[in-house]
Amino acid sequence: QKEVEQNSGPLSVPEGAIASLNCTYSDRGSQSFFWYRQYSGKSPELIMFIYSNGDKEDGRFTAQLNKASQYVSLLIRDSQPSDSATYLCAARRGSNYQLIWGAGTKLIIKP
Amino acid sequence: GAVVSQHPSWVICKSGTSVKIECRSLDFQATTMFWYRQFPKQSLMLMATSNEGSKATYEQGVEKDKFLINHASLTLSTLTVTSAHPEDSSFYICSARASGSPWTQYFGPGTRLLVL
Repeated sequence: QKEVEQNSGPLSVPEGAIASLNCTYSDRGSQSFFWYRQYSGKSPELIMFIYSNGDKEDGRFTAQLNKASQYVSLLIRDSQPSDSATYLCAARRGSNYQLIWGAGTKLIIKP
Repeated sequence: GAVVSQHPSWVICKSGTSVKIECRSLDFQATTMFWYRQFPKQSLMLMATSNEGSKATYEQGVEKDKFLINHASLTLSTLTVTSAHPEDSSFYICSARASGSPWTQYFGPGTRLLVL
């Protein structure tokens, strides 16, 4: 079992709809979780992080964390074609702040 | 803020040569830098973690004598791929964690290496 799991997709969502990206983790000791977006051929860029149970909103993005279910999600409202990318979920471990990465979910927003 | 640069962005070299990649934090001090490798259509693979002034910690399966990492200052880390071979061709990305900021890693733009 991978420590951080994501559905590889692709996930196809019509423009203007809500895109829902999911991630599960196996280590209950994981303390904080990160969502990064990676465009093809580019390096990852941070969207947001979350470390408390519940929802955290930032513009069109909402991260949700459920530690009991070991589940993290990212919602993108009013999806735009420019949101088409691979979304990487990561969990922080250890005192050296290493991140454990999921394989990423490819999101396609169809105009 | 939190800008990380990498140089070069592209490098093509002959098999057997060594290539040095620089990673700089431009507007913050990076206590910890991470080096990743990413093959096409695959996720990030952490190669090593380096703290300023100390030896890098390599992930299992990564040859420390082949991938030399130096983190000589709080703003600069270098990765040297020694005696590069075609199978080392990949996208190398560094990230940096700011001093006093436990939460996030800021990524450089990456270096694409092609070994002929």
